Amino acid sequence: QKEVEQDPGPLSVPEGAIVSLNCTYSNSAFQYFMWYRQYSRKGPELLMYTYSSGNKEDGRFTAQVDKSSKYISLFIRDSQLSDSATYLCAMSGGSNYKLTFGKGTLLTVNP
Amino acid sequence: KAGVTQTPRYLIKTRGQQVTLSCSPISGHRSVSWYQQTPGQGLQFLFEYFSETQRNKGNFPGRFSGRQFSNSRSEMNVSTLELGDSALYLCASSIGTANTGELFFGEGSRLTVL
Repeated sequence: QKEVEQDPGPLSVPEGAIVSLNCTYSNSAFQYFMWYRQYSRKGPELLMYTYSSGNKEDGRFTAQVDKSSKYISLFIRDSQLSDSATYLCAMSGGSNYKLTFGKGTLLTVNP
Repeated sequence: KAGVTQTPRYLIKTRGQQVTLSCSPISGHRSVSWYQQTPGQGLQFLFEYFSETQRNKGNFPGRFSGRQFSNSRSEMNVSTLELGDSALYLCASSIGTANTGELFFGEGSRLTVL
């Protein structure tokens, strides 16, 4: 079983739609949960950061972490053309000084 | 504030050659991590350096090596290149320990091995 599983998509939605992206994980030591966004031919950029369980909201973006189910989500409200990108979940924990990434979900927002 | 700078951005090598990639972190960041990104495997951790010390290494063969200098700049080297080494190599820096997740990535060095 992979440590982090993420549906690669691709996911295609119309402008204004609500998007739900998800990851599951198996390592109970994970405490830090992140979502990165990567545009084509660019490096990933940190979008959302959550420590432990709970919700975090930032504008149109909401990150949820359910440690009991080992499940994290990213919701995008009122999706815009500029949201078209690959979204990568990432997590870390303990003292191993690294992030473990999902493979990413390619999202396309259509006009 | 300048971001993470990686050089070269693109390079083409042939099998058996070696390559050195360079990374300049954000000023003040002491941790530098390297990741390999391929369509099939996604982002995979190579190694992490903090104050010139390698603190963790991923599951890559010994052909992959790295180092960090006193000014926090880092290099990674891949010797005896194989076709499967074709990938985007990403460097990321952070102020402190890399496992809290707030990494700032460069745009990567895209390596093609022929």
